[in-house]
Amino acid sequence: GEDVEQSLFLSVREGDSSVINCTYTDSSSTYLYWYKQEPGAGLQLLTYIFSNMDMKQDQRLTVLLNKKDKHLSLRIADTQTGDSAIYFCAESNQGGKLIFGQGTELSVKP
Amino acid sequence: EPEVTQTPSHQVTQMGQEVILRCVPISNHLYFYWYRQILGQKVEFLVSFYNNEISEKSEIFDDQFSVERPDGSNFTLKIRSTKLEDSAMYFCASSAGVREEQYFGPGTRLTVT
Repeated sequence: GEDVEQSLFLSVREGDSSVINCTYTDSSSTYLYWYKQEPGAGLQLLTYIFSNMDMKQDQRLTVLLNKKDKHLSLRIADTQTGDSAIYFCAESNQGGKLIFGQGTELSVKP
Repeated sequence: EPEVTQTPSHQVTQMGQEVILRCVPISNHLYFYWYRQILGQKVEFLVSFYNNEISEKSEIFDDQFSVERPDGSNFTLKIRSTKLEDSAMYFCASSAGVREEQYFGPGTRLTVT
């Protein structure tokens, strides 16, 4: 069935790059998303990539997609303390339903 | 910038009571969704709604759940007889198209005692 997996924790120093990884199982996924959740807040859409793309860059964010391995990553350049949050990977099916990973908690140390 | 809003932010109810969670999607969006997140678990899809009909629903969305778009702006989730295990954060989302990005509201924390 559909499943999305992420590692649970990542700790980096301020100014370093962060790479958050995600694997998914549904090869028919049309879009893959990254959402950010700060404590007590909702889900903020960060970026997304079409399944027919390999890479998308948006300011400090770079998304890489390896369709063969069903692997998605989010790279945050020059990570800041304000980037500390939980990052969710999600895939969507043809009907629009989002399947989320369990979230990666990013901790940025000064 | 347009955003999805949800009320209330926190709802406490007794087991067996009915609750209605309210959402105002982004005004020109046509597709509406409810998701929930039990504490410490994944965000789970509940239901999608388009053209005044349910498009897809998950196994969680049983007969105790219903959705409605009572007017041109609100989108509601009703739980008829709440159970302890319904305690979760409930998120509403909307999108302009079925393959367009979904924007989420801040969530309603439901606590069933």
